[in-house]
Amino acid sequence: GAVVSQHPSRVICKSGTSVKIECRSLDFQATTMFWYRQFPKQSLMLMATSNEGSKATYEQGVEKDKFLINHASLTLSTLTVTSAHPEDSSFYICSATSGLAGMVETQYFGPGTRLLVL
Amino acid sequence: QKEVEQDPGPLSVPEGAIVSLNCTYSNSAFQYFMWYRQYSRKGPELLMYTYSSGNKEDGRFTAQVDKSSKYISLFIRDSQPSDSATYLCAMSMDSNYQLIWGAGTKLIIKP
Repeated sequence: GAVVSQHPSRVICKSGTSVKIECRSLDFQATTMFWYRQFPKQSLMLMATSNEGSKATYEQGVEKDKFLINHASLTLSTLTVTSAHPEDSSFYICSATSGLAGMVETQYFGPGTRLLVL
Repeated sequence: QKEVEQDPGPLSVPEGAIVSLNCTYSNSAFQYFMWYRQYSRKGPELLMYTYSSGNKEDGRFTAQVDKSSKYISLFIRDSQPSDSATYLCAMSMDSNYQLIWGAGTKLIIKP
């Protein structure tokens, strides 16, 4: 099946620093990638949708200047958390779809990145 | 009221038992219903996918959708310790629309 990787799997940083998380589709071309945030014992919250070569679409309440998304190629999207603060500590998950079929059944998830901001 | 409600558990059952996991929802426009399994510190993986009402079976897993009651279920037969995970339901109005997620139910299968 399709594989999506994320790097790093875990990151600890100091408050005020920026952190970049990479999401890669390893064996398919991802026309659309999604970024989610998941707090403990809570559901996945969609942060933004990115299509290759165009600006990301952010969900209501998500600061686009704080969470920078770049979908530079059909296999790579990056999420940069700028000036991270402790409240940004969370589990960040990306997903990718080739768009060849309905997104519902062809959305593949990465393993997630756990961010801890001290 | 959340669009999708799911009991977070944990639900603990002995190995071999039949497990029933459920979600309720409020938006009657939902047409696509999914169940994902998420192991600790991993991303979700799609288990079952159902369009509209009815049942769908895949091995030990059965998904049911009752649109009249706005209620979906996932049944696991002959549960195994390896089934221990968090099970998330997700729904969508359209095959190309974003997913709306439940909070997930943590399932523990005791050997």
